[in-house]
Amino acid sequence: AQSVTQLDSHVSVSEGTPVLLRCNYSSSYSPSLFWYVQHPNKGLQLLLKYTSAATLVKGINGFEAEFKKSETSFHLTKPSAHMSDAAEYFCVVSALNTGFQKLVFGTGTRLLVSP
Amino acid sequence: NAGVTQTPKFRILKIGQSMTLQCTQDMNHNYMYWYRQDPGMGLKLIYYSVGAGITDKGEVPNGYNVSRSTTEDFPLRLELAAPSQTSVYFCASRPGGGNQPQHFGDGTRLSIL
Repeated sequence: AQSVTQLDSHVSVSEGTPVLLRCNYSSSYSPSLFWYVQHPNKGLQLLLKYTSAATLVKGINGFEAEFKKSETSFHLTKPSAHMSDAAEYFCVVSALNTGFQKLVFGTGTRLLVSP
Repeated sequence: NAGVTQTPKFRILKIGQSMTLQCTQDMNHNYMYWYRQDPGMGLKLIYYSVGAGITDKGEVPNGYNVSRSTTEDFPLRLELAAPSQTSVYFCASRPGGGNQPQHFGDGTRLSIL
């Protein structure tokens, strides 16, 4: 079975400072992992994905995440926060079974960015 | 390229009414999904489809029905609306082959009073 734990429900940063959003996962199989961002009244947009290639994954808008199997973690980082980064972020683990993709979502981390 | 389009964006229903949430995608994706998102929670899978004419239940299917007559469209039907179905509903699609990410619509915000 798969599960995801996002360790912080809210993270507050100042514009220009680093961002760290933490995610731990549990999976019976070699997992695929995604980070999605959701802006207010919008759908989920894919930031980046890990699918068993390079462990350091680069995404859109300067975000990146590192897959650490020994720590079962997939934390999302960005060197310098921008006001437009304020949104809800979801860590998602994916299992593929006979073509059906089951996504298990974390409960989300709300990122607040202050001027 | 519109991606995944959901209509309506907002709707208020009375208890016992019925309605259909529309979802269409123009990416020729085989797989389509319906989720609901409740406050402070991740998304829960309601129904999914692996192609035209094939649908199956997800985690929370009670009170909903779906159909998939074409590759593009995957409507979600609420027959007897209940307050517990107040939520934000998201439709998603993805291509077949491997563990490709899903593409999401902007959601339908549904309130049942």
